[in-house]
Amino acid sequence: GNSVTQMEGPVTLSEEAFLTINCTYTATGYPSLFWYVQYPGEGLQLLLKATKADDKGSNKGFEATYRKETTSFHLEKGSVQVSDSAVYFCALSALTGNQFYFGTGTSLTVIP
Amino acid sequence: GAGVSQTPSNKVTEKGKYVELRCDPISGHTALYWYRQSLGQGPEFLIYFQGTGAADDSGLPNDRFFAVRPEGSVSTLKIQRTERGDSAVYLCASSFGLAVYNEQFFGPGTRLTVL
Repeated sequence: GNSVTQMEGPVTLSEEAFLTINCTYTATGYPSLFWYVQYPGEGLQLLLKATKADDKGSNKGFEATYRKETTSFHLEKGSVQVSDSAVYFCALSALTGNQFYFGTGTSLTVIP
Repeated sequence: GAGVSQTPSNKVTEKGKYVELRCDPISGHTALYWYRQSLGQGPEFLIYFQGTGAADDSGLPNDRFFAVRPEGSVSTLKIQRTERGDSAVYLCASSFGLAVYNEQFFGPGTRLTVL
């Protein structure tokens, strides 16, 4: 079946620290992979995506590379800011028209 | 343009009551999805529509849950005989198409509390 396993939180980092949030997946076929972010008091919004193996998605300084050989899509940022404090969800879409499968979310708090 | 909107933002009801949750998708988006998010969890799929028809309702937990999209735009999720375990945030999302690479745009959610 389809599933996403995401690094558990919460994660607390100092400003300008390096961030990695691990995400691995199990999927049938050729999934697309997504990172969504939920800022406090706001709805889910797309952060980045990758639609085929070896693609790198990037946005707002965040990056993630679609690794088929390790079935992973880890989220990274070189220097986090206080404004990056949010909950991050890894997700996959595996079948045309079908639902997204989400991880459990990782809460990130960045302290000044 | 406007994003996905959901009403109400909060709904408190008593066990056994009937509730309706509304979703207004982005104009022109043909696909519409409902998810349920419990505390500390990721969203879980309930049902999706392509146009007016429910293309996949395999995520609905039981027959107390039902959703409609009569004109291919606004959708209503209906829950009969609510139970305390139905308490969660109900999310609606829409997308332009059904391809596996299409982004889904999420609404702010309706927080349902069943007392």
